[in-house]
This record gives sequence, C-alpha cells and structure tokens, in this order.
Amino acid sequence: EAGVAQSPRYKIIEKRQSVAFWCNPISGHATLYWYQQILGQGPKLLIQFQNNGVVDDSQLPKDRFSAERLKGVDSTLKIQPAKLEDSAVYLCASSLGASGNTGELFFGEGSRLTVL
Amino acid sequence: GENVEQHPSTLSVQEGDSAVIKCTYSDSASNYFPWYKQELGKGPQLIIDIRSNVGEKKDQRIAVTLNKTAKHFSLHITETQPEDSAVYFCAATRGAQKLVFGQGTRLTINP
Repeated sequence: EAGVAQSPRYKIIEKRQSVAFWCNPISGHATLYWYQQILGQGPKLLIQFQNNGVVDDSQLPKDRFSAERLKGVDSTLKIQPAKLEDSAVYLCASSLGASGNTGELFFGEGSRLTVL
Repeated sequence: GENVEQHPSTLSVQEGDSAVIKCTYSDSASNYFPWYKQELGKGPQLIIDIRSNVGEKKDQRIAVTLNKTAKHFSLHITETQPEDSAVYFCAATRGAQKLVFGQGTRLTINP
C-alpha cells in the first residue's frame, strides 16, 4: 500500500516569497492534516480536512497561510508571503476518520522549508 | 485546550537497558493517548496507543501505562536496541478533537 506522498522534500526561499506544498494521502483516507514541525518541537496542527471540508484551522495563520483539498483527495498548502519563522518541516498526514476515533495518523516524510 | 508536557527532552541509555519517557496532559476529558516514533528525515510513525478505559498496554518490548487520576502516561521500552534510537512523541486527544503532541524525547541507545 502506498503511503502519504509529499513534495517537494526541500525548499529554500527568501522571506516575502511564496511557496506551495503538495500532499497525496493514502487512498480511501477521508481525513487529511497539515502539521508544522519546528526544529526540536512536536508537530503542531495547522489544518484538518474531512473529505474536502475544513474541520479545524484554528492554528492556521490565515493572513499568510492557505490550504485546499480539491475533490477530497490531494491537498496543497501555500505560504505567501513567507517569514523567517516559517522555517520548519511541513508534515502531511491522513487517517480513515477523525484522529481520536480511528487512532492512527499516517504521516508523509515532510517538506522541509528554509526561509532566508 | 489540551496541553501536553513531555520529559525528558533527551535520554541516553545503554543497549539492553530500559528507557522510560513520561507525559502529562491537562484536559481530563482526553481519552486517547498515542506514541509516535520519528526517525531522522521521516515522518512520525505510530508505535503504540492506549485509550482511557485501560491502564496498561504492552506490545513486545514496548508498553504504555496511563494514570487518569494524575493525568499522566508513560512509554516503557525494555531491552533497548540500536534501532530504538529516534525521537519519540506522546500525544493526547478526545473524541474527534485534534491530536496535541508533546515536545519530543530524543532517545539514544549506546552500544
């Protein structure tokens, strides 16, 4: 079974530039998550989709971050304009249902962003 | 909202010895507590989880204990091996609420 696919694996940009990350979840998984993992910290949820609807985006900095999940499958996360503090690994995860109900989140390998 | 504290931040043990990582949570309604292992350059992977209706769960060399009264839970790894070296994260949630992760513990197994 294919896992969660993410691209690009690495991205270096200047501050105030824009960047987009792509995620393809495990087939059949209804729930998709974007997490931000700053070096030395645990993952922090940015946004959670159930099919193509947003369940939780309370920690998404909406003035610069946006995300969409078209047709309830793939998802993109965009940052515009980027700030130095956005340097982090952006992890995409998927699960059959909501995290507490199904138990397991399946993570991709992440997209490492460096903002200079 | 939920807050999860994890300690120690780093842990070094001799191969074959046991390792224990502890977490506390703030929301008494949390009822699901997973542990994830993250190897270098990879995403976290679930290694064991426990729900609030049990106090302990074991899977080969790893076990998790839960104390609901004190609001803390622990990961125990016995007979540690070099491949156990990684960063471990605890997490907590309730129902369909978001999973909140601890800060992580970097475990190093010394040969």
